[in-house]
Amino acid sequence: DVKVTQSSRYLVKRTGEKVFLECVQDMDHENMFWYRQDPGLGLRLIYFSYDVKMKEKGDIPEGYSVSREKKERFSLILESASTNQTSMYLCASIFGLRNTEAFFGQGTRLTVV
Amino acid sequence: GDSVTQMEGPVTLSEEAFLTINCTYTATGYPSLFWYVQYPGEGLQLLLKATKADDKGSNKGFEATYRKETTSFHLEKGSVQVSDSAVYFCALTQTGANNLFFGTGTRLTVIP
Repeated sequence: DVKVTQSSRYLVKRTGEKVFLECVQDMDHENMFWYRQDPGLGLRLIYFSYDVKMKEKGDIPEGYSVSREKKERFSLILESASTNQTSMYLCASIFGLRNTEAFFGQGTRLTVV
Repeated sequence: GDSVTQMEGPVTLSEEAFLTINCTYTATGYPSLFWYVQYPGEGLQLLLKATKADDKGSNKGFEATYRKETTSFHLEKGSVQVSDSAVYFCALTQTGANNLFFGTGTRLTVIP
């Protein structure tokens, strides 16, 4: 009954590497989101996408980019990983109507060394 | 813009104590309101929701009532258990793009 799947639970990458975090949903949702979660800071929105090839910056887009070539897949890209990008990354998807719930992936804990 | 303000934690309670976590919101129109829970090492999952004023959402002994007059959606549970230890997020949704807004989360620890 898996609905939102993130490609990795744990990742360790080196500073300067290009990192891809993948998220796939099977519910035909238009809207998809990438958040990072850090202690004491809650969920901070990095990017969201409301349709294929459409994207909008969230609150903290610096150092990140995204790709949405297919409706079910939303990728987060760290162009050149840095240690301050060590965090838990959460992907979410939601249908466009206001009274529907968001579905989350299990999260990816990324460590940049 | 739309936003959610949530009671800061952490909250530590003894087993069987009463729980309240406060949540207020700012929104145009008629948002839907949600509580999500995040257990250690997991993503968020829906705990309960309410889609219009005066609705009460409930699940697993937790309750929250959508109060439009006070723009609040406080989470309550009469008797918490150790297994309720988690981070709780209040959220609202609106129709359209970028329609999902979260509070900062409240960590609850229940001790035996």
